[in-house]
Amino acid sequence: AQSVTQLDSQVPVFEEAPVELRCNYSSSVSVYLFWYVQYPNQGLQLLLKYLSGSTLVESINGFEAEFNKSQTSFHLRKPSVHISDTAEYFCAVSESSGNTGKLIFGQGTTLQVKP
Amino acid sequence: DAMVIQNPRYQVTQFGKPVTLSCSQTLNHNVMYWYQQKSSQAPKLLFHYYDKDFNNEADTPDNFQSRRPNTSFCFLDIRSPGLGDAAMYLCATSRTSGGVGETQYFGPGTRLLVL
Repeated sequence: AQSVTQLDSQVPVFEEAPVELRCNYSSSVSVYLFWYVQYPNQGLQLLLKYLSGSTLVESINGFEAEFNKSQTSFHLRKPSVHISDTAEYFCAVSESSGNTGKLIFGQGTTLQVKP
Repeated sequence: DAMVIQNPRYQVTQFGKPVTLSCSQTLNHNVMYWYQQKSSQAPKLLFHYYDKDFNNEADTPDNFQSRRPNTSFCFLDIRSPGLGDAAMYLCATSRTSGGVGETQYFGPGTRLLVL
């Protein structure tokens, strides 16, 4: 069985500062890794995902995440945050060999960007 | 724009009174998922449909049922809601399922309150 741990429930940060949202996973099989973002009063949206290949993946709005197999981590980073990045961020995994596409989510990290 | 729509956004029901939550999609995706998200917890998969094939998670209570009359619509029925069923219910779709790292597209969710 898989599990996902997001170590920080809330991360307050000032605008233009760097941020890292931590995600660790546990799985006995190969997995795909995802970060979803949920803006206030909206559904979850895919931010980025790792399937294979380069361990560093990037989103179109400046976020990046690095898959570290030895540390079973998929931390999300952004070098300079904006007020508009305020949202809840969910890390998730799915089995790469499974047949359901089932996502196992972490509990979420609320990113609070302050002016 | 293609999207996943959930109605209503907020639903209030009484203890033990059956309630139905609705989800529709214009993406023409084969797979539809229902997740339950309780306050400050990770979204948890209840069940999913691959076309007309229903797949129930082993730990989903019998109180929860689902219907998918056609590709576009999927319903979540709670036969006798208890106080513990108060949560955000998220509908999601994907083009296909399986070990291919498909992106899931989420609706905005329906928040259920049980009085």
